[in-house]
Amino acid sequence: KQEVTQIPAALSVPEGENLVLNCSFTDSAIYNLQWFRQDPGKGLTSLLLIQSSQREQTSGRLNASLDKSSGRSTLYIAASQPGDSATYLCAVNENNAGNMLTFGGGTRLMVKP
Amino acid sequence: NAGVTQTPKFRVLKTGQSMTLLCAQDMNHEYMYWYRQDPGMGLRLIHYSVGEGTTAKGEVPDGYNVSRLKKQNFLLGLESAAPSQTSVYFCASSQGTTDTQYFGPGTRLTVL
Repeated sequence: KQEVTQIPAALSVPEGENLVLNCSFTDSAIYNLQWFRQDPGKGLTSLLLIQSSQREQTSGRLNASLDKSSGRSTLYIAASQPGDSATYLCAVNENNAGNMLTFGGGTRLMVKP
Repeated sequence: NAGVTQTPKFRVLKTGQSMTLLCAQDMNHEYMYWYRQDPGMGLRLIHYSVGEGTTAKGEVPDGYNVSRLKKQNFLLGLESAAPSQTSVYFCASSQGTTDTQYFGPGTRLTVL
Protein backbone atom coordinates (compact mmCIF):
# COMPACT_ATOMS: atom_id res chain seq x y z
CA LYS A 1 0.00 0.00 0.00
CA GLN A 2 1.26 3.45 -0.97
CA GLU A 3 2.40 5.60 1.93
CA VAL A 4 3.14 9.30 1.64
CA THR A 5 5.21 11.07 4.28
CA GLN A 6 5.86 14.77 4.70
CA ILE A 7 8.71 16.14 6.75
CA PRO A 8 8.74 18.33 8.74
CA ALA A 9 5.24 18.29 10.17
CA ALA A 10 5.58 21.94 11.15
CA LEU A 11 7.96 24.71 10.19
CA SER A 12 8.37 28.30 11.36
CA VAL A 13 10.59 30.71 9.41
CA PRO A 14 11.18 34.47 9.29
CA GLU A 15 9.81 36.40 6.35
CA GLY A 16 12.07 36.46 3.29
CA GLU A 17 13.65 33.07 3.87
CA ASN A 18 13.81 30.46 1.12
CA LEU A 19 12.49 27.10 2.27
CA VAL A 20 12.03 23.51 1.15
CA LEU A 21 9.20 21.15 2.03
CA ASN A 22 9.74 17.44 1.58
CA CYS A 23 7.44 14.65 0.42
CA SER A 24 8.35 10.97 0.08
CA PHE A 25 6.31 8.05 -1.22
CA THR A 26 6.91 4.31 -1.05
CA ASP A 27 5.69 3.09 -4.45
CA SER A 28 7.24 4.78 -7.49
CA ALA A 29 4.49 3.60 -9.88
CA ILE A 30 2.62 6.90 -9.99
CA TYR A 31 0.85 8.93 -12.67
CA ASN A 32 1.63 12.28 -11.09
CA LEU A 33 2.23 14.13 -7.86
CA GLN A 34 0.34 17.20 -6.75
CA TRP A 35 1.06 19.89 -4.18
CA PHE A 36 -1.85 21.60 -2.46
CA ARG A 37 -2.24 24.45 -0.02
CA GLN A 38 -4.87 24.40 2.74
CA ASP A 39 -5.71 27.44 4.85
CA PRO A 40 -7.35 26.86 8.27
CA GLY A 41 -10.99 25.90 7.92
CA LYS A 42 -10.81 25.97 4.12
CA GLY A 43 -10.62 23.57 1.23
CA LEU A 44 -7.52 22.61 -0.73
CA THR A 45 -6.06 24.78 -3.46
CA SER A 46 -3.94 23.11 -6.13
CA LEU A 47 -0.47 24.65 -6.44
CA LEU A 48 1.46 22.44 -8.83
CA LEU A 49 0.99 19.13 -10.62
CA ILE A 50 4.01 17.18 -11.87
CA GLN A 51 3.40 14.34 -14.31
CA SER A 52 5.51 11.21 -13.80
CA SER A 53 7.54 12.01 -16.93
CA GLN A 54 8.46 15.48 -15.67
CA ARG A 55 11.24 16.52 -13.32
CA GLU A 56 9.89 19.85 -12.12
CA GLN A 57 7.18 22.48 -12.38
CA THR A 58 7.30 26.17 -11.54
CA SER A 59 4.64 28.72 -10.68
CA GLY A 60 5.76 32.13 -9.50
CA ARG A 61 7.82 31.72 -6.33
CA LEU A 62 7.04 28.02 -6.14
CA ASN A 63 9.08 25.23 -7.67
CA ALA A 64 8.28 21.55 -7.28
CA SER A 65 10.63 18.75 -8.24
CA LEU A 66 10.01 15.05 -8.65
CA ASP A 67 12.46 12.16 -8.44
CA LYS A 68 10.21 9.20 -9.09
CA SER A 69 12.91 6.55 -8.83
CA SER A 70 13.82 7.60 -5.31
CA GLY A 71 10.23 8.33 -4.30
CA ARG A 72 10.79 11.98 -3.43
CA SER A 73 9.41 15.40 -4.21
CA THR A 74 10.31 18.81 -2.88
CA LEU A 75 8.40 22.09 -2.88
CA TYR A 76 10.69 25.10 -2.89
CA ILE A 77 9.24 28.44 -1.79
CA ALA A 78 11.37 31.47 -2.58
CA ALA A 79 11.34 34.68 -0.55
CA SER A 80 8.63 33.48 1.84
CA GLN A 81 5.88 35.90 2.92
CA PRO A 82 3.43 35.85 5.86
CA GLY A 83 0.68 35.13 3.32
CA ASP A 84 2.39 31.80 2.58
CA SER A 85 1.42 30.57 6.06
CA ALA A 86 -0.77 27.52 5.56
CA THR A 87 -0.62 23.73 5.52
CA TYR A 88 1.00 22.24 2.43
CA LEU A 89 -0.08 18.78 1.31
CA CYS A 90 1.41 16.51 -1.30
CA ALA A 91 -0.57 13.73 -2.94
CA VAL A 92 0.32 10.97 -5.38
CA ASN A 93 -1.94 9.58 -8.09
CA GLU A 94 -1.19 5.86 -8.43
CA ASN A 95 -1.33 3.82 -11.59
CA ASN A 96 -3.06 0.82 -10.07
CA ALA A 97 -5.62 2.83 -8.11
CA GLY A 98 -6.99 4.85 -10.99
CA ASN A 99 -8.28 8.14 -9.70
CA MET A 100 -7.31 7.80 -6.08
CA LEU A 101 -5.04 10.39 -4.54
CA THR A 102 -2.99 9.28 -1.54
CA PHE A 103 -2.18 12.25 0.67
CA GLY A 104 0.66 12.97 3.02
CA GLY A 105 -0.02 14.33 6.48
CA GLY A 106 1.01 17.85 5.49
CA THR A 107 3.54 20.43 6.64
CA ARG A 108 2.14 23.33 8.65
CA LEU A 109 4.11 26.44 7.67
CA MET A 110 4.25 29.67 9.65
CA VAL A 111 6.07 32.65 8.13
CA LYS A 112 6.71 35.34 10.73
CA PRO A 113 6.83 39.03 9.75
CA ASN B 1 -17.74 30.55 -12.15
CA ALA B 2 -18.23 29.10 -8.65
CA GLY B 3 -16.01 26.02 -9.12
CA VAL B 4 -16.92 23.34 -6.59
CA THR B 5 -19.56 24.11 -3.97
CA GLN B 6 -20.75 22.03 -1.03
CA THR B 7 -23.98 22.11 0.97
CA PRO B 8 -24.28 22.40 3.94
CA LYS B 9 -21.17 23.96 5.49
CA PHE B 10 -21.87 22.63 8.98
CA ARG B 11 -24.16 19.95 10.38
CA VAL B 12 -24.73 18.26 13.72
CA LEU B 13 -26.45 14.88 13.76
CA LYS B 14 -27.47 12.42 16.43
CA THR B 15 -26.36 8.81 16.17
CA GLY B 16 -28.64 6.90 13.82
CA GLN B 17 -29.89 9.93 11.88
CA SER B 18 -29.43 10.16 8.14
CA MET B 19 -28.35 13.00 5.90
CA THR B 20 -27.15 13.84 2.40
CA LEU B 21 -24.25 16.09 1.48
CA LEU B 22 -24.49 17.81 -1.88
CA CYS B 23 -21.56 18.67 -4.12
CA ALA B 24 -21.95 20.71 -7.29
CA GLN B 25 -19.38 21.71 -9.91
CA ASP B 26 -19.79 24.06 -12.84
CA MET B 27 -16.61 23.13 -14.76
CA ASN B 28 -18.19 20.29 -16.76
CA HIS B 29 -15.75 17.84 -15.17
CA GLU B 30 -16.19 14.13 -15.72
CA TYR B 31 -14.66 12.93 -12.44
CA MET B 32 -15.89 13.70 -8.94
CA TYR B 33 -14.67 12.55 -5.54
CA TRP B 34 -15.63 12.53 -1.88
CA TYR B 35 -12.88 12.65 0.78
CA ARG B 36 -12.90 12.85 4.53
CA GLN B 37 -10.21 14.61 6.56
CA ASP B 38 -9.43 13.55 10.12
CA PRO B 39 -6.65 14.68 12.46
CA GLY B 40 -3.73 12.28 12.28
CA MET B 41 -5.29 10.37 9.35
CA GLY B 42 -5.02 12.93 6.59
CA LEU B 43 -7.39 12.97 3.63
CA ARG B 44 -8.89 9.66 2.55
CA LEU B 45 -11.03 8.87 -0.47
CA ILE B 46 -14.56 7.62 0.31
CA HIS B 47 -16.14 7.19 -3.15
CA TYR B 48 -15.60 8.57 -6.59
CA SER B 49 -17.34 8.81 -9.95
CA VAL B 50 -15.90 8.67 -13.46
CA GLY B 51 -19.02 10.04 -15.11
CA GLU B 52 -22.75 10.57 -14.86
CA GLY B 53 -24.49 7.46 -13.57
CA THR B 54 -21.27 5.78 -12.33
CA THR B 55 -19.79 5.40 -8.86
CA ALA B 56 -16.91 3.43 -7.34
CA LYS B 57 -15.53 2.72 -3.87
CA GLY B 58 -12.47 4.43 -2.51
CA GLU B 59 -10.35 3.65 0.52
CA VAL B 60 -13.01 4.09 3.24
CA PRO B 61 -16.49 3.49 1.72
CA ASP B 62 -18.23 1.68 4.59
CA GLY B 63 -21.24 3.53 6.00
CA TYR B 64 -21.60 5.83 2.99
CA ASN B 65 -23.53 5.73 -0.26
CA VAL B 66 -23.22 8.01 -3.27
CA SER B 67 -25.14 8.90 -6.39
CA ARG B 68 -24.32 10.81 -9.58
CA LEU B 69 -27.61 11.29 -11.37
CA LYS B 70 -26.45 14.51 -13.05
CA LYS B 71 -22.95 15.24 -14.32
CA GLN B 72 -22.62 18.37 -12.21
CA ASN B 73 -23.80 16.86 -8.90
CA PHE B 74 -22.34 14.20 -6.61
CA LEU B 75 -24.28 13.27 -3.48
CA LEU B 76 -22.86 11.59 -0.38
CA GLY B 77 -25.35 9.89 1.93
CA LEU B 78 -25.09 8.65 5.48
CA GLU B 79 -27.95 6.24 6.17
CA SER B 80 -27.33 5.79 9.92
CA ALA B 81 -24.75 8.22 11.24
CA ALA B 82 -22.17 7.06 13.79
CA PRO B 83 -19.78 9.13 15.95
CA SER B 84 -16.89 7.67 13.91
CA GLN B 85 -18.23 9.64 10.93
CA THR B 86 -17.52 12.95 12.65
CA SER B 87 -15.15 14.57 10.19
CA VAL B 88 -14.66 17.28 7.59
CA TYR B 89 -15.90 16.13 4.20
CA PHE B 90 -14.45 17.49 0.98
CA CYS B 91 -15.74 17.11 -2.53
CA ALA B 92 -13.44 17.46 -5.54
CA SER B 93 -13.67 17.25 -9.30
CA SER B 94 -11.31 16.85 -12.25
CA GLN B 95 -11.57 16.66 -16.01
CA GLY B 96 -9.59 13.43 -16.25
CA THR B 97 -8.02 10.81 -14.04
CA THR B 98 -4.58 12.44 -14.13
CA ASP B 99 -5.66 16.08 -14.09
CA THR B 100 -5.65 18.54 -11.22
CA GLN B 101 -8.39 17.96 -8.68
CA TYR B 102 -10.36 21.06 -7.61
CA PHE B 103 -11.73 21.01 -4.08
CA GLY B 104 -14.81 22.46 -2.47
CA PRO B 105 -14.74 24.38 0.85
CA GLY B 106 -15.75 21.38 2.95
CA THR B 107 -18.60 20.32 5.24
CA ARG B 108 -17.91 19.96 8.95
CA LEU B 109 -20.07 17.12 10.32
CA THR B 110 -20.42 16.25 13.98
CA VAL B 111 -22.24 13.11 15.05
CA LEU B 112 -23.24 13.03 18.72
